[in-house]
Amino acid sequence: AQSVSQHNHHVILSEAASLELGCNYSYGGTVNLFWYVQYPGQHLQLLLKYFSGDPLVKGIKGFEAEFIKSKFSFNLRKPSVQWSDTAEYFCAVNRGNTDKLIFGTGTRLQVFP
Amino acid sequence: DTGVSQNPRHKITKRGQNVTFRCDPISEHNRLYWYRQTLGQGPEFLTYFQNEAQLEKSRLLSDRFSAERPKGSFSTLEIQRTEQGDSAMYLCASSLGRWNTEAFFGQGTRLTVV
Repeated sequence: AQSVSQHNHHVILSEAASLELGCNYSYGGTVNLFWYVQYPGQHLQLLLKYFSGDPLVKGIKGFEAEFIKSKFSFNLRKPSVQWSDTAEYFCAVNRGNTDKLIFGTGTRLQVFP
Repeated sequence: DTGVSQNPRHKITKRGQNVTFRCDPISEHNRLYWYRQTLGQGPEFLTYFQNEAQLEKSRLLSDRFSAERPKGSFSTLEIQRTEQGDSAMYLCASSLGRWNTEAFFGQGTRLTVV
């Protein structure tokens, strides 16, 4: 079935560690890719997005993601995490012919000081 | 404050009762989306509107679910004859334009069916 997969369900890191969260999708054709973050008790908010052009996109709070078309992947990275990055992270895909977002199951990140 | 307002924030209802949720999008946003999120899952698309027109409905949206956006501003999502499986967080989002514009999410309405 067509889907969005986030293989890391729960990640625990110490502050200053590097982060990489995996996201793979199984849709063919044109896709638009997003990472959303949900801090504890808050609403979903957009971290970054990719539509076209440079496959390395930069978002807010020092996050970046790389689109690798051949691998159907859009992994999220941050070189040095902070305690305030503790949150749930969702990868989402929008297929070019529709306006809905298909979300992955999310990755819960805990950062300890 | 995201600008997308959802009411109520929490709803507990008995199985078989009807419930209605309201979403007030960011003003001038013409697109409004409903998603459902259960524990351990990402949000699942339910339906969306462009102005007052409902453009797409998910197969998840059974006959017991109905959504409206009568004047192209606020939207309501009604669930009739609720079942325990309807227990979830119901999220609303709005955007100005299509997929290439950011969708802003509300904080959701948590429904518990007992």
